[in-house]
Amino acid sequence: SAVISQKPSRDICQRGTSLTIQCQVDSQVTMMFWYRQQPGQSLTLIATANQGSEATYESGFVIDKFPISRPNLTFSTLTVSNMSPEDSSIYLCSVLDMRAFFGQGTRLTVV
Amino acid sequence: QKEVEQDPGPLSVPEGAIVSLNCTYSNSAFQYFMWYRQYSRKGPELLMYTYSSGNKEDGRFTAQVDKSSKYISLFIRDSQPSDSATYLCAAWGNFNKFYFGSGTKLNVKP
Repeated sequence: SAVISQKPSRDICQRGTSLTIQCQVDSQVTMMFWYRQQPGQSLTLIATANQGSEATYESGFVIDKFPISRPNLTFSTLTVSNMSPEDSSIYLCSVLDMRAFFGQGTRLTVV
Repeated sequence: QKEVEQDPGPLSVPEGAIVSLNCTYSNSAFQYFMWYRQYSRKGPELLMYTYSSGNKEDGRFTAQVDKSSKYISLFIRDSQPSDSATYLCAAWGNFNKFYFGSGTKLNVKP
């Protein structure tokens, strides 16, 4: 099974600023996903990040707000831009390696 | 209608009870089904993974898929307080993404 390291584990940010979340996998994977999870809620897919191509965003999420990089098959970043309190959530990186594996998440609080 | 529906609970049972967690799905193209356990402040952890219909057992956990009724279940035998967590079902088809249920919060009382 893939092992995923996600950083930072938590952060408190000022509104209007940006935060970049990193996701490192211990093996090469084709598909990586970024999710958002509100407290007590299920997972909402933000986008699929594929190496060598633009990320594919789900309805309600746009590249200007959530730019994603995927420079190689073991690494991806998600940036939450121009943050507002509504962006306070847990952000999770996931990879497809026969099944979906998740990082431990980034708990973001915007004040 | 959501692609995968799951009763959010919460579900509270005494230690040692058999727990049944259930989901339904709407798309017959789904072929792979998974159950995840998520402890508070942690990422989801893969528990069980099944392909198509049938049962799969792993220790105290049994995953069951009935494709004819589009029903997936997770059974936990001899439940323990350490099983207290949120359980998420998920399905995967030919759409290059997973569809998750809303999660069922389980509390096993000592």
